[in-house]
Amino acid sequence: EIVLTQSPGTLSLSPGERATLSCRASPSVPGNYVAWYQHKPGQAPRLLIYGASTRITGIPDRFSGSGSGADFTLTISRLEPEDFAVYYCQHYAGSPRSFGQGTKLEIK
Amino acid sequence: QVQLQESGPGLVKPSGTLSLTCAVSGGSISNNYLWTWVRQPPGKGLEWIGEIFHSGRTTYNPSLKSRVTISVDKSKNQFSLKLTSVTAADTALYYCAAHRGETPGPLDDWGQGTLVTVSS
Repeated sequence: EIVLTQSPGTLSLSPGERATLSCRASPSVPGNYVAWYQHKPGQAPRLLIYGASTRITGIPDRFSGSGSGADFTLTISRLEPEDFAVYYCQHYAGSPRSFGQGTKLEIK
Repeated sequence: QVQLQESGPGLVKPSGTLSLTCAVSGGSISNNYLWTWVRQPPGKGLEWIGEIFHSGRTTYNPSLKSRVTISVDKSKNQFSLKLTSVTAADTALYYCAAHRGETPGPLDDWGQGTLVTVSS
């Protein structure tokens, strides 16, 4: 079973700043089968990135994903007010297709 | 993209069975999608429960496998979740979701979620 660990648990930043969110896998995720989701209270999660680095159509290009193997990163280059939310990584390289515990991105 | 809507009882008694349905609109349950259930306990993260293909092929989270059944109803264009022997730990916001493909992949479409509380 692949376990995903996200860090930090909470990230406090200001609009305009750069956010770097980490997702570490143990063991490694074959095929870089990792997705990132944005989740706001009262809303459904929204798929941002799949295959570690492919952005979904319509997602702003300030969101980017990178990494391979055991280390994956979601970067938001310049934070907008609407970006403050909880972010989850998920692997789909086997069962269970588990999620990380989430990173809460909050306004500083 | 498809639209998904969960429905079912909001309150289930301990040791009872949780039953939820996900209605699919804007597409057919027979599309080559993987229909999925995910839950979120209060104050916690997301947990993948399992998935089903329209052929009936299922994959379940091993931690829940002994209690979970996911099924498809083609006549109603919906899929369902049953979770038996529930306890307070099964209290959660339950989401149905879909991956647009027949091999494992990310969850492209999501319902809004429905809260289920396990309590006497």
